[in-house]
Amino acid sequence: LAKTTQPISMDSYEGQEVNITCSHNNIATNDYITWYQQFPSQGPRFIIQGYKTKVTNEVASLFIPADRKSSTLSLPRVSLSDTAVYYCLVGDRRNTGFQKLVFGTGTRLLVSP
Amino acid sequence: NAGVTQTPKFQVLKTGQSMTLQCAQDMNHEYMSWYRQDPGMGLRLIHYSVGAGITDQGEVPNGYNVSRSTTEDFPLRLLSAAPSQTSVYFCASRKEGTEAFFGQGTRLTVV
Repeated sequence: LAKTTQPISMDSYEGQEVNITCSHNNIATNDYITWYQQFPSQGPRFIIQGYKTKVTNEVASLFIPADRKSSTLSLPRVSLSDTAVYYCLVGDRRNTGFQKLVFGTGTRLLVSP
Repeated sequence: NAGVTQTPKFQVLKTGQSMTLQCAQDMNHEYMSWYRQDPGMGLRLIHYSVGAGITDQGEVPNGYNVSRSTTEDFPLRLLSAAPSQTSVYFCASRKEGTEAFFGQGTRLTVV
């Protein structure tokens, strides 16, 4: 089970790019890296998932270096509505249960005007 | 398509009372799970199920029971509520190899 380490909190201003880095030194060969976003009083929602190099969707980009021991979630031009907790998860996407879907405490992003 | 629906949204219990938190999904997902989230903390896995009739314990199962008689429903039972069970409870579901979908949560207070 790959343990992840992320900053507890980050501050930013509207319009800036925010990069949140997650360390996962003992990631396994079959593990994927997944990021979830959680707004206050809501359940987490999936943002992006990747295995290596770079993945981009309409919400964010995910950068994964060749050694896969870390990953960076990039949020372009954040707005106030991006204030949330961001969780980095590492696990085998094929696993049959939720035992490896461990959320940890996440990174609390605060975007100010 | 409603996704994952949890009821009730809010509940206040007295110590020692029992109750059932309901969770239903209409996406035909095999896997369902229950998490609890204490203030300022991450989510902790209580119980999960990989299909109808199959359940298993997560990180913090004590004081909770689950059953999975249908694919759609995964109720969480508190046997004898304690103040330490005051928390927000989230239900999630997913298909193998896909991301998890979460309900809106049930905010439980035990007095």
